[in-house]
Amino acid sequence: DVVMTQSPLSLPVTLGQPASISCRSSQSLVYSDGNTYLNWFQQRPGQSPRRLIYKVSNRDSGVPDRFSGSGSGTDFTLKISRVEAEDVGVYYCMQNTHWPNTFGQGTKLEI
Amino acid sequence: EVQLVESGGGLVQPGGSLRLSCAASGFTFSDSSMSWVRQAPGEGLECVANIKREGSERYYADSVRGRFTISRDNAKNSLYLQMNSLRAEDTAVYYCARGGLLSAWGQGTLVTVSS
Repeated sequence: DVVMTQSPLSLPVTLGQPASISCRSSQSLVYSDGNTYLNWFQQRPGQSPRRLIYKVSNRDSGVPDRFSGSGSGTDFTLKISRVEAEDVGVYYCMQNTHWPNTFGQGTKLEI
Repeated sequence: EVQLVESGGGLVQPGGSLRLSCAASGFTFSDSSMSWVRQAPGEGLECVANIKREGSERYYADSVRGRFTISRDNAKNSLYLQMNSLRAEDTAVYYCARGGLLSAWGQGTLVTVSS
């Protein structure tokens, strides 16, 4: 299975400041169709996960533009330009280039 | 608006069976692959099964292969997960999600395996 490794696992931040989460995969996530199936999810306390970013850098509808995704191959990053209180929760990267789809361990963002 | 509503969770003894259902609305169900994802208490996320649009291709995590069966009824806009030979380590909230890219999630249903 592809191992997804996130860092840091805990991310204390200050409101209004930027935040960054790294995600590395144990093998390339480039699929045979040329796409890279790396996605980011947010899980707020007590809620279901919600997708934020798909295929590395595409923001889902309704996701604030302070969230951005980047990367290629095996190294990926989720950035929040200015953290707001509603961003508290756990963030997961997930690959679905290779079955089984696998998630990172999660990064807990706290103010 | 896309809606996914899971049901069927509960308390079951080790070795028992349970069938989860997911009712979908707000999108063309038959055009989407579907997934089941679980989250053990206080833990991370695990994709346990995926089924393609027509149901002809199904994929399972090693942890559930041979015990769980994913299926769908496109006429009823419904997704299912038949879980047999349940173990304590299957205790989790089970979510259904749209597609392999998990673009939408339900609220989850809790399965507790305990004697």
